[in-house]
Amino acid sequence: DAKTTQPPSMDCAEGRAANLPCNHSTISGNEYVYWYRQIHSQGPQYIIHGLKNNETNEMASLIITEDRKSSTLILPHATLRDTAVYYCIVRVVGAAAGNKLTFGGGTRVLVKP
Amino acid sequence: DGGITQSPKYLFRKEGQNVTLSCEQNLNHDAMYWYRQDPGQGLRLIYYSQIVNDFQKGDIAEGYSVSREKKESFPLTVTSAQKNPTAFYLCASSISRGGSPLHFGNGTRLTVT
Repeated sequence: DAKTTQPPSMDCAEGRAANLPCNHSTISGNEYVYWYRQIHSQGPQYIIHGLKNNETNEMASLIITEDRKSSTLILPHATLRDTAVYYCIVRVVGAAAGNKLTFGGGTRVLVKP
Repeated sequence: DGGITQSPKYLFRKEGQNVTLSCEQNLNHDAMYWYRQDPGQGLRLIYYSQIVNDFQKGDIAEGYSVSREKKESFPLTVTSAQKNPTAFYLCASSISRGGSPLHFGNGTRLTVT
């Protein structure tokens, strides 16, 4: 699986959009980008994933660059409850690969009032 | 509500004792996973199972054992051979279709003294 690089921490203001970057310059054509978040002392929560098109759901938007070497998770209106560690993961998808994920250190996001 | 239940939330053991962590899911998922998390670190995969009566080692399987006798249950035994067992243990499940997101329990914090 391709390695990802995320900033270790970032702050954002409540009510503003939070833009979380992720670099995955060695990503291959059959690898998806996944985002999870982990609120303190809880299990990680799935947010969104995509291959090459931008994706949006009720939680967030995922913007993937045309060359797929980086992506940005956007939380459109951050709330205090969005304070968490956010993990960007790239993963080959296929029956033999299974769904096991490799988590890096993530970005610790602090939403401030 | 469908979900993954890990029990207990906190577990204390003396060094040299084996301990078994429970993980039950009612999501009808075929695949189940165990991860370990140390303070300030990402998750590391211990074992995973894609089908009943079958499981594979993850990245850090030494000192751990699992069984998968029922679809709903995937208990993890931390043996006395595990050198640093104190950690936060997370169980997850997913459907087998490639790329499906993982659903996590809220973890068991094991302390061995």
